[in-house]
Amino acid sequence: GENVEQHPSTLSVQEGDSAVIKCTYSDSASNYFPWYKQELGKGPQLIIDIRSNVGEKKDQRIAVTLNKTAKHFSLHITETQPEDSAVYFCAASPGGGADGLTFGKGTHLIIQP
Amino acid sequence: EAGVTQFPSHSVIEKGQTVTLRCDPISGHDNLYWYRRVMGKEIKFLLHFVKESKQDESGMPNNRFLAERTGGTYSTLKVQPAELEDSGVYFCASSQDWGRTDGYTFGSGTRLTVV
Repeated sequence: GENVEQHPSTLSVQEGDSAVIKCTYSDSASNYFPWYKQELGKGPQLIIDIRSNVGEKKDQRIAVTLNKTAKHFSLHITETQPEDSAVYFCAASPGGGADGLTFGKGTHLIIQP
Repeated sequence: EAGVTQFPSHSVIEKGQTVTLRCDPISGHDNLYWYRRVMGKEIKFLLHFVKESKQDESGMPNNRFLAERTGGTYSTLKVQPAELEDSGVYFCASSQDWGRTDGYTFGSGTRLTVV
């Protein structure tokens, strides 16, 4: 089955700086890669996703890149703000997202004022 | 529109007891998923309903876990008898039509503590 590794487990950056979180996956059949943000006491919330026919996707301060050959994808947050502090999860799915997702272990992002 | 609703939000039970978690998906969503996060580990897939049918239950840990979705609306996840290792946060998620990939909407989760 699929295995998703996520790094780092904790990331502390100064407000205004950029943050990068990296994930690797094992199943070459995976074709859907979402990123979720989880704030305290809430469920994971989809913030951006990318499909295997695209190499990069951007939404305001958030971008995701995908390297299918190397089987890794990354989340980039620019101009970080205090409200970006949360736990971020990457995930992968061979079913285009309609099936179950395999998640990484999460990254606790801390934005230092 | 109302989001995915889960209750209870917290449950503390003794080992050997039974607990039933409930999930109300977004109205009209055919797909309903259960996931679990054990402390410090990844969120793990448990099972997937399409309407009232179990599409994939490959993630269910063992036969102490029973999920149902009568009538294709809300779902329940029963743990009987509960063991210490069942402690964690149980998330429910839903998405619209089978085959669509618009992403899930997760509920806030039920934190289960077995003592």
